Amino acid sequence: KNEVEQSPQNLTAQEGEFITINCSYSVGISALHWLQQHPGGGIVSLFMLSSGKKKHGRLIATINIQEKHSSLHITASHPRDSAVYICAGGGADGLTFGKGTHLIIQP
Amino acid sequence: DTGVSQNPRHKITKRGQNVTFRCDPISEHNRLYWYRQTLGQGPEFLTYFQNEAQLEKSRLLSDRFSAERPKGSFSTLEIQRTEQGDSAMYLCASSKATGTLTSGANVLTFGAGSRLTVL
Repeated sequence: KNEVEQSPQNLTAQEGEFITINCSYSVGISALHWLQQHPGGGIVSLFMLSSGKKKHGRLIATINIQEKHSSLHITASHPRDSAVYICAGGGADGLTFGKGTHLIIQP
Repeated sequence: DTGVSQNPRHKITKRGQNVTFRCDPISEHNRLYWYRQTLGQGPEFLTYFQNEAQLEKSRLLSDRFSAERPKGSFSTLEIQRTEQGDSAMYLCASSKATGTLTSGANVLTFGAGSRLTVL
């Protein structure tokens, strides 16, 4: 059974801080998704990666296949980044989701 | 195409009633997924389709749950004899499967979800 562990569960930071959210996953997961969920419940896919690093604006996602670890970084964080960030591992049996990291960026 | 559309957005029902949710995926997407999310938890996989074929079904999906995608386009998720434990957000996502990528390696587009409250 695929497993995905995320940390931290909750994170509060000041505007402008550099944010890192971590995700570890088990054998059998071939791709890693980072998702953003806002208070209304809508989910947006941020990244899907199976190797290396991807960048989109202030968001950066990295994955280390050997260590089975991925990180999501937010540079120059802003209150509008406040959301739940979910890591999901994709394998032959579909997606396995982490429990999410509740991020609050205070002005 | 405005993305993945789910209806209804909210449904309140009494225990024992049947409910049906509909998902309209992005038109060129051949894969469609259903997930369930309870408060404070990450989504849980329920089932997925490639075209009209239901390829996988989670053990979470009891025999009261049934999903269809009759023409390989929209999908319906029906819950019969609802229980209070069925209260959750039901999320639909779609993707375009290409080549030999596994189901988890496709970029997903999520709908806004259908929130079910069973009284």
